[in-house]
Amino acid sequence: AQSVTQPDIHITVSEGASLELRCNYSYGATPYLFWYVQSPGQGLQLLLKYFSGDTLVQGIKGFEAEFKRSQSSFNLRKPSVHWSDAAEYFCAVGGNRGSTLGRLYFGRGTQLTVWP
Amino acid sequence: NAGVTQTPKFRILKIGQSMTLQCTQDMNHNYMYWYRQDPGMGLKLIYYSVGAGITDKGEVPNGYNVSRSTTEDFPLRLELAAPSQTSVYFCASYRGEYSNQPQHFGDGTRLSIL
Repeated sequence: AQSVTQPDIHITVSEGASLELRCNYSYGATPYLFWYVQSPGQGLQLLLKYFSGDTLVQGIKGFEAEFKRSQSSFNLRKPSVHWSDAAEYFCAVGGNRGSTLGRLYFGRGTQLTVWP
Repeated sequence: NAGVTQTPKFRILKIGQSMTLQCTQDMNHNYMYWYRQDPGMGLKLIYYSVGAGITDKGEVPNGYNVSRSTTEDFPLRLELAAPSQTSVYFCASYRGEYSNQPQHFGDGTRLSIL
């Protein structure tokens, strides 16, 4: 069955520090992978996506993520965090075949707090 | 280009009342989805549709109904509102087969049942 695990419920970093948010997934084939960000009271904004090809993908706002098939991981990184990055981050697996086509399976989210 | 539009944005219901959450998309997408988001739980799929006239249950369908009479619209119906249905509801659409584009999300409907 498809599932996504985000091991860290809450992460706190200082402004300017580097960031890595972890994501592990379970899926029967090479998945489509996504990271979304949600600010309080807002909708979901797509940060980046992986469908195929280069395993290091670049997204908006200076974020990047690396797909590691051997570890079933798709961790999100940013070299220097800004106070405006404080938000909740969701990793998602997208079904790409059969009855799961187009469906998204979300992790529980990681809340990011940024100290000034 | 409006994308996915959800109405209303906010609503307060009393227990036992009914209401319909509206969702419409103007991208001619075949696939549409309803999710609910509860704190600390991520998003869970309620119902989905792969085309007009075709709907199917997701992970948490109890207490909800849907219909898909047109490609554009995918309303979600709550018949007897319960406090457990207090949540944020998101509608999304997806082009479908052979597409490597992600789902498009609406801005959400924040629903409170009191």
